[in-house]
Amino acid sequence: EVKLEESGGGLVQPGMSVKLSCATSGFTFSDYWMEWVRQAPGKGLEWVAEIRNKANNYATYYGKSVKGRFTISRDDSKSIVYLQVNSIRSEDTGIYYCTIHYFDYWGQGVMVTVSS
Amino acid sequence: DVVLTQTPPTLSATIGQSVSISCRSSQSLLDSDGDTYLNWLLQRPGQSPQLLIYSVSNLESGVPNRFSGSGSETDFTLKISGVEAEDLGVYYCMQATHAPLTFGSGTKLEIK
Repeated sequence: EVKLEESGGGLVQPGMSVKLSCATSGFTFSDYWMEWVRQAPGKGLEWVAEIRNKANNYATYYGKSVKGRFTISRDDSKSIVYLQVNSIRSEDTGIYYCTIHYFDYWGQGVMVTVSS
Repeated sequence: DVVLTQTPPTLSATIGQSVSISCRSSQSLLDSDGDTYLNWLLQRPGQSPQLLIYSVSNLESGVPNRFSGSGSETDFTLKISGVEAEDLGVYYCMQATHAPLTFGSGTKLEIK
């Protein structure tokens, strides 16, 4: 059974940093590209970041609103994908989902609230 | 960036009614590899999104066959043939042909 479980969210002060994790199981993690997608409260879905697999040199891509502040990474030995969020802003508040590139499996999401 | 325009923004249906949702792209979603990476997702209240249809018209495993997708290039449609109570939620189209990946703004399906 494929599972994705996000963690690391919570209340974060503006300008600070937080690192989200997505632990996975049930599939050959190292073969797949992984994504982070977020959803602001009451809003739609926004793609955040992508990391490709070793065969694609672990290439990373970011949405315009997060480029330069967010860093996606992965640990194939642990089947975990990470999202490092720096210089966090109020508009980064929302639920962050990890998903496999084919979008057929999603985690339950982790809430990040940016507030002083 | 590719803009996906979904209509209608809200939809109210009775059980058994058939409904359609439109997704129009600002540019062709036909990839150079010949595939068209247009997917449909459903997000039920309080849940994570769920993949319904991939590559325009392919039904994801486990998804009821009352869901169907069609279209090409820039115009796409999701049809539900006989709405059931469990179908309520927000439907999103999304494209993965052009970077960055983008989502439509969503269509909220309400059950009368």
